[in-house]
Amino acid sequence: QVQLVQSGAEVKKPGASVKVSCKASGYSFTGYYIHWVRQAPGQGLEWMGWINPNSGGTNYVQEFQGRVTMTRDTSISTAYMELNRLTSDDTAVYYCAREQGSANYYKFDYWGQGTLVTVSS
Amino acid sequence: QSVLTQPPSASGTPGQRVTISCSGSSSNIGSNTVNWYQQLPGTAPKLLIYSNNHRPSGVPDRFSGSKSGTSASLAISGLQSEDEADYYCSAWDDSRNGRWVFGGGTKLTVL
Repeated sequence: QVQLVQSGAEVKKPGASVKVSCKASGYSFTGYYIHWVRQAPGQGLEWMGWINPNSGGTNYVQEFQGRVTMTRDTSISTAYMELNRLTSDDTAVYYCAREQGSANYYKFDYWGQGTLVTVSS
Repeated sequence: QSVLTQPPSASGTPGQRVTISCSGSSSNIGSNTVNWYQQLPGTAPKLLIYSNNHRPSGVPDRFSGSKSGTSASLAISGLQSEDEADYYCSAWDDSRNGRWVFGGGTKLTVL
């Protein structure tokens, strides 16, 4: 069965970086884009961007341009999201999600369990 | 604030039918399909409805979706206590080089 398993919770100081991993299993890793979505405490969902595991190509939302880097290691079916220059506003649960779709629609059909990143001095 | 607009809360009694609205614009709901996600307390979001009105396998037919113009709706009939959760609508937005956008979420309470 399809599974996305993320790395554990992190506590970081302001100005530091964090790298979250998302290990895929149960399907062909290179066949589906991986997206990253975050959720601040008590808030809604915010899309950050995607990575194409096949080519390594990425697309980041404007708000995170220059601060986020999404990479992958196809040998271990794992995607990564690194966020730099952290502030307290980056405290959130970070989710990876698999995109599945056709020419007419796309959907996030499987999600990781989430990784809590806490930024505190 | 969120690009898509949802009511912050909704409620109903067991067995009742409730609807949750999602309002957008021509660059998102008006030109792309809508997905709905259910987030139970303390868990990751789960796909509930995709492409406006399609249910993934395993989702009960009590859940249905619709779209008209720049708005969409999620309907839950035969409300059950386990439906108490946060619900989010989502669509691709063609503006600003393209991005996925979400509603602010609707907390459904089963009274």
